[in-house]
Amino acid sequence: ETGVTQTPRHLVMGMTNKKSLKCEQHLGHNAMYWYKQSAKKPLELMFVYNFKEQTENNSVPSRFSPECPNSSHLFLHLHTLQPEDSALYLCASSQETFSGTEAFFGQGTRLTVV
Amino acid sequence: QKEVEQNSGPLSVPEGAIASLNCTYSDRGSQSFFWYRQYSGKSPELIMSIYSNGDKEDGRFTAQLNKASQYVSLLIRDSQPSDSATYLCAVNHSGNTPLVFGKGTRLSVIA
Repeated sequence: ETGVTQTPRHLVMGMTNKKSLKCEQHLGHNAMYWYKQSAKKPLELMFVYNFKEQTENNSVPSRFSPECPNSSHLFLHLHTLQPEDSALYLCASSQETFSGTEAFFGQGTRLTVV
Repeated sequence: QKEVEQNSGPLSVPEGAIASLNCTYSDRGSQSFFWYRQYSGKSPELIMSIYSNGDKEDGRFTAQLNKASQYVSLLIRDSQPSDSATYLCAVNHSGNTPLVFGKGTRLSVIA
């Protein structure tokens, strides 16, 4: 248990559906991240929030929409996804983005787009 | 572009041997270095952090950092089949940037 909890653990959705991934951290951290990990590919950073403000968007398509209402919660809203978006979506948190401290990951959401 | 490079492997070692995993990074100003272990289908798990030159030991794991040569390594002594996983190197580069991850090295410990 890392103190970062993601729900759901598994999600199957059609290309016309709208769904949301949720992440919650109980570590008192101020930075939260969304990563995508496709099969046999490295981790891809998607979004970074530091003190609730988005500080990085790595050219992610608009069909992925992040939301960070407070430092403990992070959402990833999904709509009109494509089959190639099927992947493991990982949330992580760290003390701050620039403090050089380690990041802790949630268990991930395994997303399948059909 | 700030990069972290790892040999993707697979690296195969016999049970009981020392596994040596290497990582190089591009930003000379980098300050923080981490090793994560990721089992297949699971999320990355932090196993070591190192911030200054030299060795840092934690149980069977030893992290080694050489800032002059811009590399960081992870040694696993007395390797066990349960150590079989992908090992990710992560670097916190200088400035207000999040961790940059390498592609990972897949380790296979053969019983």
